[in-house]
Parts: sequence; C-alpha cells; structure tokens
Amino acid sequence: EPEVTQTPSHQVTQMGQEVILRCVPISNHLYFYWYRQILGQKVEFLVSFYNNEISEKSEIFDDQFSVERPDGSNFTLKIRSTKLEDSAMYFCASGGQGETEAFFGQGTRLTVV
Amino acid sequence: GIQVEQSPPDLILQEGANSTLRCNFSDSVNNLQWFHQNPWGQLINLFYIPSGTKQNGRLSATTVATERYSLLYISSSQTTDSGVYFCAVPPSPGSARQLTFGSGTQLTVLP
Repeated sequence: EPEVTQTPSHQVTQMGQEVILRCVPISNHLYFYWYRQILGQKVEFLVSFYNNEISEKSEIFDDQFSVERPDGSNFTLKIRSTKLEDSAMYFCASGGQGETEAFFGQGTRLTVV
Repeated sequence: GIQVEQSPPDLILQEGANSTLRCNFSDSVNNLQWFHQNPWGQLINLFYIPSGTKQNGRLSATTVATERYSLLYISSSQTTDSGVYFCAVPPSPGSARQLTFGSGTQLTVLP
C-alpha cells in the first residue's frame, strides 16, 4: 500500500542551525502539506503546496520556514535558523486529485538544543 | 474557524473492554479523519469518514454529518491500542485539504 515516508525519524540540531526535513509523498499525489505538533499539544497546520507554490499557510509559517519540491518525488521543509521552540514533531501529508483525504507520514521528531 | 471537540479527554480501560470516542464539530464538513498517535509519536491514519460507517478489524467509525459528530468504536481493546486518538476536519468548507485537529482522547489500556 502506498505511503508517505519521512526522513529522518529523529533529528537533533543546535539552535541557530538550518535544518531540512524530507518527505516522499505518495507518487501520484498533487497536494502536499506540513503540520507541526509541539509536545503535548494539538497537531497544527503549517502550509499547503500545490502546483509548485504555496496555496495556504498558517501564522506559524513565518519567514524562517520554506518549502520546496526539488524534484518529482521529494517535498521538503526548511527551517533557516532553528529556535528552541521549533522543537516538535513535524508531519508531512499528501492528497490526490479529486479526493479530500490526506495521507500522513509518521513524522520527524525535531529537537533543538 | 471550525471548532472541534473530542471527548472524553482521557480514558483508562482494562484489556478486553470496549470504548466509544466522540468528535463534535461546529460546521458542516466534507472530510473527517481519525488518527491514532502511538506512544512513539507516530501518527497512524485510521479512517477517512466524512459520512456513514466504516469498519477495520476491531475498530469502526460512524459520522453523522447532519448532526456534526463522529464516533470511533474500539472493541476488545488491547494494550497496543494505547495512545492518543485525534479527529480532524477542514477548518472551513473551502479548505477541504487542510485539517484542523481536535485536542485528542488519551487512551490507556491496562493489561
């Protein structure tokens, strides 16, 4: 069964460093998303991406964040200069044309020290 | 935006018991999904159920869209069912592909 895969499963980074989280969406999907979950809190929407551009973003998704689909298979989230409060689980999701279901990856735990 | 409320917030069961988790939402939706977050933090897709009833093994879900709620049933619970169960819906009718999550139900199944 097709699935969304995320790498790495856990990343530790120094405050101020840049980090790139990687996702491989389901192959024929056209809609891509990133969500974040700070420990003990709700899962929150960050950004959606369609047709090589951001279609929606939340207040959380400020200038420190960027997304890219560098090739036909990967979808990345970059945090330019990480802060302690960026420590969270980051989930990637994708969706197909003509359907509303979102398929989630199992997440990357980012720890900023 | 849409409000999503889940109940109960916490639930403790003995292995083998049945349970019902509820998700109420404040506006009409064309997407509703249930997820299980395991103790390692991984998010597992359970059901895509904007309306009707679906079953997958010991789990089943029902959404009554006209009354704005969904129920997740867990039968013969096992310790591996422990974790947090989230429902999620679009924040508005025009944002079907973006999800707003509830606060979750923390389920603990005791051996």
